[in-house]
Amino acid sequence: EPEVTQTPSHQVTQMGQEVILRCVPISNHLYFYWYRQILGQKVEFLVSFYNNEISEKSEIFDDQFSVERPDGSNFTLKIRSTKLEDSAMYFCASSDLAGGLSSYNEQFFGPGTRLTVL
Amino acid sequence: QKEVEQNSGPLSVPEGAIASLNCTYSDRGSQSFFWYRQYSGKSPELIMFIYSNGDKEDGRFTAQLNKASQYVSLLIRDSQPSDSATYLCAAVRGEYGNKLVFGAGTILRVKS
Repeated sequence: EPEVTQTPSHQVTQMGQEVILRCVPISNHLYFYWYRQILGQKVEFLVSFYNNEISEKSEIFDDQFSVERPDGSNFTLKIRSTKLEDSAMYFCASSDLAGGLSSYNEQFFGPGTRLTVL
Repeated sequence: QKEVEQNSGPLSVPEGAIASLNCTYSDRGSQSFFWYRQYSGKSPELIMFIYSNGDKEDGRFTAQLNKASQYVSLLIRDSQPSDSATYLCAAVRGEYGNKLVFGAGTILRVKS
């Protein structure tokens, strides 16, 4: 069964360092997402991406964050200068449908990357 | 006001009982909802999608949506210890309907 994969599973970094989290979405999917979940808190939307551009982003997704689809298979999230509060589980997701408020648009989640900022 | 609210629990039920999980939402523009299950340290797994008022059944799971009262619920019949997890309610939002707004989740514990 196709699945979303993410690497690394756990990333430890020093405050102020840049990190890149990598995701390989399901191969025929066209819509990609990043969410994060701080330990003990809810899953929060960061950004959605379609046709090589951001389609929507949240307030969390500030200038320190960027996303890229560098080739036909990878989807990355870069945090330029990490802060302690960036420590969280980061989930990548993908979907094959356009969505719409009443449309079925299942987002398939990857296993996550746990980012720890020291 | 939180956009999607859930009772954090834990909700404890005996094995074989019905577990009832509830979710309320504040934005009347929300039209459809997902229920996800999340085991500790794992990613969310889809259980149900609902966008019409009323009930939708899938195996042991029944989702209920009441748009007038702005609540969504999930019933789990014949609860099993393996159902013990956090259950996340998510509203479909955003300009293109591609953004999920999650509640904080309800912890369910099924005791054998």
